[in-house]
Amino acid sequence: DGGITQSPKYLFRKEGQNVTLSCEQNLNHDAMYWYRQDPGQGLRLIYYSQIVNDFQKGDIAEGYSVSREKKESFPLTVTSAQKNPTAFYLCASRGRGANTGELFFGEGSRLTVL
Amino acid sequence: GQQVMQIPQYQHVQEGEDFTTYCNSSTTLSNIQWYKQRPGGHPVFLIQLVKSGEVKKQKRLTFQFGEAKKNSSLHITATQTTDVGTYFCAGPRQAGTALIFGKGTTLSVSS
Repeated sequence: DGGITQSPKYLFRKEGQNVTLSCEQNLNHDAMYWYRQDPGQGLRLIYYSQIVNDFQKGDIAEGYSVSREKKESFPLTVTSAQKNPTAFYLCASRGRGANTGELFFGEGSRLTVL
Repeated sequence: GQQVMQIPQYQHVQEGEDFTTYCNSSTTLSNIQWYKQRPGGHPVFLIQLVKSGEVKKQKRLTFQFGEAKKNSSLHITATQTTDVGTYFCAGPRQAGTALIFGKGTTLSVSS
């Protein structure tokens, strides 16, 4: 089945540690996105990539980094510079040339920093 | 900066009552989308509206896009417990292909 796979589903880390969240899609979509969700805050855009080897900062990129070396993969690294990393992280993708058309979301990764 | 606002933030209804959530954008939108997120789940696409004044129905759900393409609403008739979740509206950001989301309306339904 086509879709987006995020891993791990749950992750616990100590303060000061970098963590990398995986996002893989087999939908042949060009555009991929990372959103962060906190209670009552909706979805806030961290980074997005419209094509391989290119990515752009979203509204809350500080303390995060990404790469887009393959069309299928868009991993997100939460660095120790991110002041409040505990959150639900959602990866999404969308087809070519789309300023229209739905976002497909993965099931999310819940990160807890102890 | 660009903003998308939704009201109310929370709504509790008795099963069978109607429910409406409203979405307002600070900018004119080329289209607006609605998503539903069940508790513990991820957002799932419901619908996209493109035309000014457009109205679309999906069974008990009615979606409207305002004439000025700056506001939208979702109305659920005769709510059921399966309608529980958070409903988000989203529109295109002014740059790039990402969407900007409202903060959502969380609906709870008691039977």
